[in-house]
Amino acid sequence: QVQLQESGPGLVKPSQTLSLTCTVSGASIDSGTYYWSWIRQPAGQGLEWLGRIYTTGNTNYNPSLKSRGTISVDTSKNQFSLRLSSVTAADTAVYFCARESGDSLAFDIWGQGTMVTVSS
Amino acid sequence: QSALTQPASVSGSPGQSITISCTGTSSDVGGYNYVSWYQQYPGKVPKLMIYEVSNRPSGVSNRFSGSKSGNTASLTISGLQADDEADYYCSSYTIIRTPVVFGGGTKLTVL
Repeated sequence: QVQLQESGPGLVKPSQTLSLTCTVSGASIDSGTYYWSWIRQPAGQGLEWLGRIYTTGNTNYNPSLKSRGTISVDTSKNQFSLRLSSVTAADTAVYFCARESGDSLAFDIWGQGTMVTVSS
Repeated sequence: QSALTQPASVSGSPGQSITISCTGTSSDVGGYNYVSWYQQYPGKVPKLMIYEVSNRPSGVSNRFSGSKSGNTASLTISGLQADDEADYYCSSYTIIRTPVVFGGGTKLTVL
């Protein structure tokens, strides 16, 4: 079955760039009609959609990121990535990657999540 | 502030039914049938419970059902069980600012 796994540093210094990768296994990232998304959840808070990339490379972002976010895809590695620049403590959260069905627009498969702390 | 409004908490006794509401606008919940519901246990990964307002993925109990009226979607859990105690989030397609928006989440307590 399809599985997603996030990877990346758990600690990032303020003003630096957060970089996370999501590896897709069990299926090709460019097969089917799916968006590949990033969602985060600060401790004790709700889910915040950050952005997504389609298999064509088209992207959508949450304006709340104020142009700090970039999502890219590497089909040769079956991975997609998130880069978030100029991070602050407010970016401390669990970051999930997820697959969004292009038909139902529902997040049907999620990664396990990775905790990222922004601190000096 | 979340664009979709959910009650912060709901509670019910085992065997009872509860309903969690998710209120948006005609730009999201009211205008499109792309409402989803997710169950999340503390420290765990969200799980898709309902998609396209009322459809259940394979493997999800039929005790979970979804509906929509106007700008408000609802998740109903019947025959409440102890392991239904979790946080529940709605999401919807939206034409305002972002293509996806989540509700603030509802903590379900089984008394």
